[in-house]
Amino acid sequence: NAGVTQTPKFQVLKTGQSMTLQCAQDMNHEYMSWYRQDPGMGLRLIHYSVGAGITDQGEVPNGYNVSRSTTEDFPLRLLSAAPSQTSVYFCASSYSGETEAFFGQGTRLTVV
Amino acid sequence: GENVEQHPSTLSVQEGDSAVIKCTYSDSASNYFPWYKQELGKRPQLIIDIRSNVGEKKDQRIAVTLNKTAKHFSLHITETQPEDSAVYFCAASTGTASKLTFGTGTRLQVTL
Repeated sequence: NAGVTQTPKFQVLKTGQSMTLQCAQDMNHEYMSWYRQDPGMGLRLIHYSVGAGITDQGEVPNGYNVSRSTTEDFPLRLLSAAPSQTSVYFCASSYSGETEAFFGQGTRLTVV
Repeated sequence: GENVEQHPSTLSVQEGDSAVIKCTYSDSASNYFPWYKQELGKRPQLIIDIRSNVGEKKDQRIAVTLNKTAKHFSLHITETQPEDSAVYFCAASTGTASKLTFGTGTRLQVTL
């Protein structure tokens, strides 16, 4: 049972480049989310989904897009990378909004 | 939206002492309050959670208390051990979506 799998673990981008962070879970969870973690700021919600075909914005959605075509996958797209998007990104999934959220191992992204 | 404040930002205790971390939240509709532990370079992992219909919950050396009237909740760790050293995050959710709002974290250091 793999849980929540994120790829890649590390990525360096140039300003203006685009990329997709992959997230997959094998627990049949309906709820999936993306967070970014910056020093001293905790985990901030970027986008979330309560099921296939349903997505919504979190606290810091600008510069990011998501889609949820299947229950298992929830990719995060950076449209035009900026240095301000340098961060550690975590994907999480849960059975419901009131149960344990399982996190992926994180992606450390550096935009130069 | 929900706002979660967490104090202190750093906490140093001697092995065997107790540690207390406090959080306040703003949205009276929040009804689910998890606590996550994050070791250096690792993903956050749930250590305990509490729902709004419960005032206190205990799991071995860890306990959480909730005061809905005052909108605050606290994590208590007794008989601290070096392996308790980590960053601890509180969070709050209304439960209707996977919209966990996190505090900014407390770095706990347990010294010998």
